[in-house]
Amino acid sequence: EAGVAQSPRYKIIEKRQSVAFWCNPISGHATLYWYQQILGQGPKLLIQFQNNGVVDDSQLPKDRFSAERLKGVDSTLKIQPAKLEDSAVYLCASSLDRYEKLFFGSGTQLSVL
Amino acid sequence: AQSVTQLGSHVSVSEGALVLLRCNYSSSVPPYLFWYVQYPNQGLQLLLKYTSAATLVKGINGFEAEFKKSETSFHLTKPSAHMSDAAEYFCAVSEGSGTASKLTFGTGTRLQVTL
Repeated sequence: EAGVAQSPRYKIIEKRQSVAFWCNPISGHATLYWYQQILGQGPKLLIQFQNNGVVDDSQLPKDRFSAERLKGVDSTLKIQPAKLEDSAVYLCASSLDRYEKLFFGSGTQLSVL
Repeated sequence: AQSVTQLGSHVSVSEGALVLLRCNYSSSVPPYLFWYVQYPNQGLQLLLKYTSAATLVKGINGFEAEFKKSETSFHLTKPSAHMSDAAEYFCAVSEGSGTASKLTFGTGTRLQVTL
């Protein structure tokens, strides 16, 4: 079966610019997650969707980060404006349900200069 | 609040030697515990999970982990390391399957396997 698809694979931007990441989960997976993985740290959950709705966004910096999941399938994560400390790998994951095994994409590596 | 601590950011073993990666957890309720592996330029992949059934959990690729409540530990082991096991390993905790089912990851342990 096809895995979780993410694009772009790499992105380099200057601080204060905007950037968007795209995720296509495994077909039929109701739950979608965005994680931020800073170098040397474990992944940190930014936002969790159950179908179209947000289940948990308690660690999402809402003044600059936003995410949406249209029609309960694809999702985009946006940063506007970016800061140096946003440099990280952004991982998308999906699961059949919120309590099931997570499948991760390969991530988008963001460098903010 | 739930958390996990992974002891040792880097572990090096010889091919054929025992692999032991350490993880200690903190949770206010009986936890669900996970080990994920991340190969270079790939996403995380679930190795195994503990969900309050048997305390010894067997996973993929010959890995297993034992839940020890008295030690609040969930160490990952493999009897004989293979070169293909070189990767980064993450321990994670979830406080059950209720509303607090968010996964919290440790900082990771990079496993190096030498000839």
